[in-house]
Amino acid sequence: SQQGEEDPQALSIQEGENATMNCSYKTSINNLQWYRQNSGRGLVHLILIRSNEREKHSGRLRVTLDTSKKSSSLLITASRAADTASYFCATVRLNRDDKIIFGKGTRLHILP
Amino acid sequence: KAGVTQTPRYLIKTRGQQVTLSCSPISGHRSVSWYQQTPGQGLQFLFEYFSETQRNKGNFPGRFSGRQFSNSRSEMNVSTLELGDSALYLCASSILAGDKETQYFGPGTRLLVL
Repeated sequence: SQQGEEDPQALSIQEGENATMNCSYKTSINNLQWYRQNSGRGLVHLILIRSNEREKHSGRLRVTLDTSKKSSSLLITASRAADTASYFCATVRLNRDDKIIFGKGTRLHILP
Repeated sequence: KAGVTQTPRYLIKTRGQQVTLSCSPISGHRSVSWYQQTPGQGLQFLFEYFSETQRNKGNFPGRFSGRQFSNSRSEMNVSTLELGDSALYLCASSILAGDKETQYFGPGTRLLVL
């Protein structure tokens, strides 16, 4: 079964607005990562947050992690057309077999 | 430095056939992982190879197999194809075995089984 579940499944916003995507997971984790995928192509690593971190920034991206609620959020500020893509969270479980487990993703569409 | 390359990019096969996909990792990367992506199941881990040895395997039937060569290039093979094998197959490379923090993904091979 999927470890991460993104919410919403799809999101359409106007260019310039902020986009927020959420991810919930089930088990204790070592770290949580966010990836972007453009139109059925390869994944691009965006940001990694470790289990002992609560917030991380990278450019227009802001990621939060709440281990007590087993949830994370990805905020993209001042969205651009080029941000149109699918966004996935992925978790690496604590003390388990190195496997990384991906959620099913949020499809983000930036309207001009 | 060249990125991860996958060949072919697109493939059409019929049920019962077999297929071999290839992945060339970033120069210096010795770990290659394979993933299957479908609309229904999302991204699922297939297996990981490091130094020509499979070190980890996902929950897929034995029809899915792989190997890695001494130059770190990897191939995955699917035998007796089924309609449900239609998917985007992604490979990712990293320097270290089991490194799930710095994986670099290729563009994928889109397989359609008719």
